[in-house]
Amino acid sequence: NAGVTQTPKFQVLKTGQSMTLQCAQDMNHEYMSWYRQDPGMGLRLIHYSVGAGITDQGEVPNGYNVSRSTTEDFPLRLLSAAPSQTSVYFCASRKAGTGAQPQHFGDGTRLSIL
Amino acid sequence: DQQVKQNSPSLSVQEGRISILNCDYTNSMFDYFLWYKKYPAEGPTFLISISSIKDKNEDGRFTVFLNKSAKHLSLHIVPSQPGDSAVYFCAASDNTNAGKSTFGDGTTLTVKP
Repeated sequence: NAGVTQTPKFQVLKTGQSMTLQCAQDMNHEYMSWYRQDPGMGLRLIHYSVGAGITDQGEVPNGYNVSRSTTEDFPLRLLSAAPSQTSVYFCASRKAGTGAQPQHFGDGTRLSIL
Repeated sequence: DQQVKQNSPSLSVQEGRISILNCDYTNSMFDYFLWYKKYPAEGPTFLISISSIKDKNEDGRFTVFLNKSAKHLSLHIVPSQPGDSAVYFCAASDNTNAGKSTFGDGTTLTVKP
């Protein structure tokens, strides 16, 4: 049972480059989210989706783009990488319903922007 | 304005003793609170949760207490074990916003043998 799979695990980019962080879940969860974690800080919500074809902005959406064409996949695109986007990125999924439903996280993508 | 705060960045306890991790929140619309545990180089994993209509939830060595009037919750681990050494995140969600979660900054727990 794979759960939430994120690729790549590590990536180094130059300022101005673009890339896509991949996220896939095999639990048939309706909700998916992207977070970033900076040193000494908690998880901040970038974008989220409550189902295929539906996405919305979180707390820190600038510089990122998402789409959700299937239930399983929720890729995160960096449009033009900036050093301020150096962070660890976590994708999460959960069942629809109340906030009691826990989130299931991938192991993260560690991204460095030079 | 940070809606969920964990004011202690770190906590060190002796094996076998109690660990108490604290969390404060400001948004009275939060109706579920969850604790996650995170090991290095891994994603957070769910530990225990509590509904705002309860004041206590227990699961084995882990108990979460909620004081709504003080907007404060705490996670108790008894007895603490070296394998409990990790970062613990408090998270809160409300049903008015697609159940989105707001996380605290985390507390690093070290349990010494």
